[in-house]
Amino acid sequence: EAGVAQSPRYKIIEKRQSVAFWCNPISGHATLYWYQQILGQGPKLLIQFQNNGVVDDSQLPKDRFSAERLKGVDSTLKIQPAKLEDSAVYLCASSLEVGYEQYFGPGTRLTVT
Amino acid sequence: KQEVTQIPAALSVPEGENLVLNCSFTDSAIYNLQWFRQDPGKGLTSLLLIQSSQREQTSGRLNASLDKSSGRSTLYIAASQPGDSATYLCAVRPMDSSYKLIFGSGTRLLVRP
Repeated sequence: EAGVAQSPRYKIIEKRQSVAFWCNPISGHATLYWYQQILGQGPKLLIQFQNNGVVDDSQLPKDRFSAERLKGVDSTLKIQPAKLEDSAVYLCASSLEVGYEQYFGPGTRLTVT
Repeated sequence: KQEVTQIPAALSVPEGENLVLNCSFTDSAIYNLQWFRQDPGKGLTSLLLIQSSQREQTSGRLNASLDKSSGRSTLYIAASQPGDSATYLCAVRPMDSSYKLIFGSGTRLLVRP
């Protein structure tokens, strides 16, 4: 069974630029999560999708972050414009349904200079 | 608000030593607790998941215990090996939101040959 795929693996941008990350969950998983992990901290949930609907985006900075999951499969997370404090690893995870075990992708490491 | 703390933040031990990693949480109302391993540049790999009704789980050289009433969990690693070097994260799933994992900041483990 293929795992959660993410791309790119690394990205370096200047502040005020925009960036997008892509995630392909495990086939058949209805629930998809985006986490932000700042260096030295644990992951923090940004947004959760159930199929193509948003379940929880309470910790998503909506003035600059956006995410979508069209057709209930792949998802993209966008930051526009980026700030220095957005430097982090962005992890995507998926689970069969809400509350089931989550499986994580390798993450995208973003550096904002 | 649920908070998860892991002590120590970093640990260095010689190969072969038995070791214990600690995790504490502030609210005992949890569905389960999970221990993850994170290698540099990689995503999270689930090691052990303990349901709230369980006291411990074992997998190979790993043993995780849960004392919900005191808000504590330990991960015991027997006969440590250099390949065990990684960051270990614990996460709880609170009963107020069964899908959201709350992570600690992790313990960075180095096992010296």
